[in-house]
Amino acid sequence: AQSVTQLGSHVSVSEGALVLLRCNYSSSVPPYLFWYVQYPNQGLQLLLKYTSAATLVKGINGFEAEFKKSETSFHLTKPSAHMSDAAEYFCAVSVPGRRALTFGSGTRLQVQP
Amino acid sequence: EAQVTQNPRYLITVTGKKLTVTCSQNMNHEYMSWYRQDPGLGLRQIYYSMNVEVTDKGDVPEGYKVSRKEKRNFPLILESPSPNQTSLYFCASTPQGQGNEQFFGPGTRLTVL
Repeated sequence: AQSVTQLGSHVSVSEGALVLLRCNYSSSVPPYLFWYVQYPNQGLQLLLKYTSAATLVKGINGFEAEFKKSETSFHLTKPSAHMSDAAEYFCAVSVPGRRALTFGSGTRLQVQP
Repeated sequence: EAQVTQNPRYLITVTGKKLTVTCSQNMNHEYMSWYRQDPGLGLRQIYYSMNVEVTDKGDVPEGYKVSRKEKRNFPLILESPSPNQTSLYFCASTPQGQGNEQFFGPGTRLTVL
């Protein structure tokens, strides 16, 4: 079975600073990896996904993530945080043949002015 | 507009009173699922459906039922709700194929007293 660990339930950065949200996965087969964002009182919106093409994946709103098989990681980064990035971020994994997503516990990002 | 809709968005009920949360998608997706979101646990899959009349249990199915009589609709039924089912519920849909994005509804916040 696959699993996801997100390190840090809360991350606080200053506006303009680097955003780094950590995600490590466990899977016995090559996984599909996703980052979703949830703004207050809203559903989940896809930021980006990895499906075995390029290991550096660019998403919406300036976010990107790098798939590192040797480290079983898929960390999310953004060079410069904006106030509008404040939200909860979820890393998720699925595997071929099973479309269900297994989610991490989420990381709430705060952006300080 | 392509979307997943859920109703109601908010519901307060009492223990044992049967309720149904509706979910509908207009994207002709085959796969639909229900998740519940609880603090510190991320999202966990309750039930899923691969297509009309094909449903199966997810990771936390106890106390829930579903049906899939039409491709666009996937209602979640709580026959006898209990307080431990107080949660935020999301419906999602995804097209056939591997590694596809899941599209989420806006969520239903359920409180069982």
